[in-house]
Amino acid sequence: QSVLTQPPSASGTPGQRVIISCSGSSSNIGRNHVCWYQKLPGTAPRLLIYRSSLRPSGVPDRFSGSKSGASASLAISGLRSEDEADYYCATWDDSVSGVVFGGGAKLTVL
Amino acid sequence: QVQLQESGPGLVRPSQTLALTCTVSGDSISTDGIHWSWIRQSPGKGLEWIGSIYHSGSTDYNPALKSRVTISVDTSKNQFSLKVRSVTAADTAVYYCARGGGPYSSSFDFWGQGTLVPVSS
Repeated sequence: QSVLTQPPSASGTPGQRVIISCSGSSSNIGRNHVCWYQKLPGTAPRLLIYRSSLRPSGVPDRFSGSKSGASASLAISGLRSEDEADYYCATWDDSVSGVVFGGGAKLTVL
Repeated sequence: QVQLQESGPGLVRPSQTLALTCTVSGDSISTDGIHWSWIRQSPGKGLEWIGSIYHSGSTDYNPALKSRVTISVDTSKNQFSLKVRSVTAADTAVYYCARGGGPYSSSFDFWGQGTLVPVSS
């Protein structure tokens, strides 16, 4: 059972906007920045969002992140078939002095 | 371009020690402010942070694994390593090394391709 709670699945049609949530607590998301990762089968995770809302160079602006209180969310607009992947949130947790990941959300593009 | 490459044995027997090395190119492992990390993914499960190290040798570990894990750094070879002692089938996973992590940071911007380490007799 993960410290950060994500829905196990999400879906949308091409062109739609999808939001994936990540719920934590005051010891993790409530105090620290959140990162989001995209994981395709057989490949290493890819950093999509850091410091809750910043995009590394090369990540399309269709991906955006936000944080409010002890929750965070990843929004993907203009959904494309290649966005079909697992998405993980991560943050530092002060109570364990370490990085914690969400359980991952599998995004299906219908 | 920063590149990381994991290396190590492809199979580990139960109760033995899993040992992996990550070789970094395109960046110095001694770069100030940069930590280096190990993360794993067991089959059908999510990502799990194992721990991080700084070039000074300072480490942070996942409390759930801390008693069995050691991460070390060799700045002369631009490498860092992972050892997991007394492994069981539950340690079967794809192990990734990554740049980033460290206190209060969950940002890993460059990753190795990952190496599958089965634990089996």
